[in-house]
Amino acid sequence: DQQVKQNSPSLSVQEGRISILNCDYTNSMFDYFLWYKKYPAEGPTFLISISSIKDKNEDGRFTVFLNKSAKHLSLHIVPSQPGDSAVYFCAASKTSSGSARQLTFGSGTQLTVLP
Amino acid sequence: NAGVTQTPKFQVLKTGQSMTLQCAQDMNHNSMYWYRQDPGMGLRLIYYSASEGTTDKGEVPNGYNVSRLNKREFSLRLESAAPSQTSVYFCASSEAGVGLHEQFFGPGTRLTVL
Repeated sequence: DQQVKQNSPSLSVQEGRISILNCDYTNSMFDYFLWYKKYPAEGPTFLISISSIKDKNEDGRFTVFLNKSAKHLSLHIVPSQPGDSAVYFCAASKTSSGSARQLTFGSGTQLTVLP
Repeated sequence: NAGVTQTPKFQVLKTGQSMTLQCAQDMNHNSMYWYRQDPGMGLRLIYYSASEGTTDKGEVPNGYNVSRLNKREFSLRLESAAPSQTSVYFCASSEAGVGLHEQFFGPGTRLTVL
């Protein structure tokens, strides 16, 4: 049972336009959400995160929106640049009694920004 | 700082062979993790170590063992490799504490089991 779902395997947008990547989750215990970006033959790199007590977090061209009632989050990239072309993973975690944070990942969305 | 390093980068094994994947981090993080990534799927947690001296199973631990050698190093062992273990393996580390959820990943090891 996939607890974190990214239903769009791929997305293409024109350079300069907005990219919107979506993610849905089913576990209401998740209280922290992250987006990672991955280039081929490299490890994922952290992009932006949001706590469940917020509904928006912004960092430069990247904004993450969280709709807790819908169990949905989205990543907006404005303006999109060719260097943003990568696979984007949504991940979620829940507060645990231990110090390690287990992340549950979605299957990823391949973003292609066309020049 | 090198961050998280993994060796080897590539490995081909025959069914039944054993091997150890090495991971080291130089960020003084307490927690370390092993994930595998398969085509069309996200990363799945194999094992993790909350702190030196402790290890716990993740989502897909069968067929693997781990050792937290010291605070810097966390190894993943395949005792008897199977074709189903063909995957890309990522090691990650993170600081501990409330609100600190970001994990830093290594470059990965691409393993093929024939």
